[in-house]
Amino acid sequence: NAGVTQTPKFQVLKTGQSMTLQCAQDMNHNSMYWYRQDPGMGLRLIYYSASEGTTDKGEVPNGYNVSRLNKREFSLRLESAAPSQTSVYFCASSEATGGNQPQHFGDGTRLSIL
Amino acid sequence: AQSVTQLDSHVSVSEGTPVLLRCNYSSSYSPSLFWYVQHPNKGLQLLLKYTSAATLVKGINGFEAEFKKSETSFHLTKPSAHMSDAAEYFCVVTPWSSASKIIFGSGTRLSIRP
Repeated sequence: NAGVTQTPKFQVLKTGQSMTLQCAQDMNHNSMYWYRQDPGMGLRLIYYSASEGTTDKGEVPNGYNVSRLNKREFSLRLESAAPSQTSVYFCASSEATGGNQPQHFGDGTRLSIL
Repeated sequence: AQSVTQLDSHVSVSEGTPVLLRCNYSSSYSPSLFWYVQHPNKGLQLLLKYTSAATLVKGINGFEAEFKKSETSFHLTKPSAHMSDAAEYFCVVTPWSSASKIIFGSGTRLSIRP
C-alpha cells in the first residue's frame, strides 16, 4: 500500500546544476501536485496536473518545470538550481482537482542547494 | 481572494488534557476547509475536512472541528491529548470548485507534556 512515492529522499546540489524529482502514485488518481515547504511557512503550490496530459502553474512556478509522464507519474525539474530553491518538496495526488478532494502526500524530498 | 491564519505557532498541553488549535479563514467563495497533520520527516496526512455538510466534522484519532461561518473559524479540538498527537498541524482552505487556489496556514506545532 505505497500511496505516493517520492525519489530521492535527500539531495545536495551545487548552484547551477539540474535535477529531476520523481513522484509516482498507485491510487489511480487523476490529479497530482508539487509543493514546496519552507521553515515557518505552510506548503505553497508550484505546479499541478488536473489530469494526464495537462499541467498548470500554481503560486510559485518560477525556476521549475514539470512533466506528467502518465497517469501515475509527475516529475518536477530544476533546470539551473539556485540557493533560494533549498526546501522540502512534496508531491500529492487526489481523485480530481475539485477543492473538496482531500490530497494524499508523499514523504518529501529534502533538497539543499549550495 | 482567500487566506488562512493559524493563530498559534506553538501549543503545549499536558497528556490527557484538551487540545485547541485555532484557525481563521477568509474566502470570497464557498470554501472547503481541511486539517492535516505532519509528523517529523513525513508527508501530510488528512485529519478531517469540511465541505458544506455538517458544521461539526469528526476526523481520525479523536479530533474534530467546527465550522463557524459567522466567526470565519475552523478550530481543531480533541478532548484528551495523547503523546502520539505531538506533530505539526496545518489548516487549509480551497475554493469548492478547484484545488489550484489552495492556501495552507503556516502551521501549529503541538507539544505534549508527560
